[in-house]
Amino acid sequence: ETVLTQSPGALSLSPGERATLSCRASQSINNIHLAWYQQKPGQAPRLLIYGASSRASGIPDRFSGSGSETEFTLTISRLEPEDFAVYYCHQYGGSFGGGTKVEIK
Amino acid sequence: EVQLVESGGGLVQPGGSLRLSCAASGFTLNDHFMDWVRQAPGKGLEWVGRIKNKAFGYATDYAASVKGRFTISRDDSENSLYLQMNSLKTEDTAVYYCGRNTRGALDYWGQGTLVTVSS
Repeated sequence: ETVLTQSPGALSLSPGERATLSCRASQSINNIHLAWYQQKPGQAPRLLIYGASSRASGIPDRFSGSGSETEFTLTISRLEPEDFAVYYCHQYGGSFGGGTKVEIK
Repeated sequence: EVQLVESGGGLVQPGGSLRLSCAASGFTLNDHFMDWVRQAPGKGLEWVGRIKNKAFGYATDYAASVKGRFTISRDDSENSLYLQMNSLKTEDTAVYYCGRNTRGALDYWGQGTLVTVSS
């Protein structure tokens, strides 16, 4: 089973700043098999990025994904107030990362 | 509009059973694999399992933590997905989500149903 490790566990930033979230896989993943989700309190997760770098429908272009094999990154170029949430990476075989909480500084 | 609505959650004693349902609308269920994901209170997401579509023989895969205790099934004619949970443990307490699987990513999720396993 592929284990996904996300870092940092939490990130304190101000609106307008850039957020860089990391997801490391315990073994190489076909990069088309990596997704990112956003989850706000009391809500279901929402798909942001699929295939490591493709934005899902309706997702603003300030969200971008990159990476390959065992190292993947989600970047939020300029944080908006609604972006403060928890973010999870997911490999299509099933496993999720532990999440990164992006909180307001 | 794509919608997924889970139901069937509740309080159950350890060792008991529960069957969750997920009603799908706004798309052709048979075109998609479907996943179950859970989230324990205050914790992260945990993949539970997947059922493939008819073209793939309705094959299933499960997380090691639930294999042999949980069974996923579907009825495409009823636009429904199911999760039969047996031999429940306290650590199975979680919100359970169904998700539409499109080429691997979960592009639509239900609102979740809470399962509490406690004596």
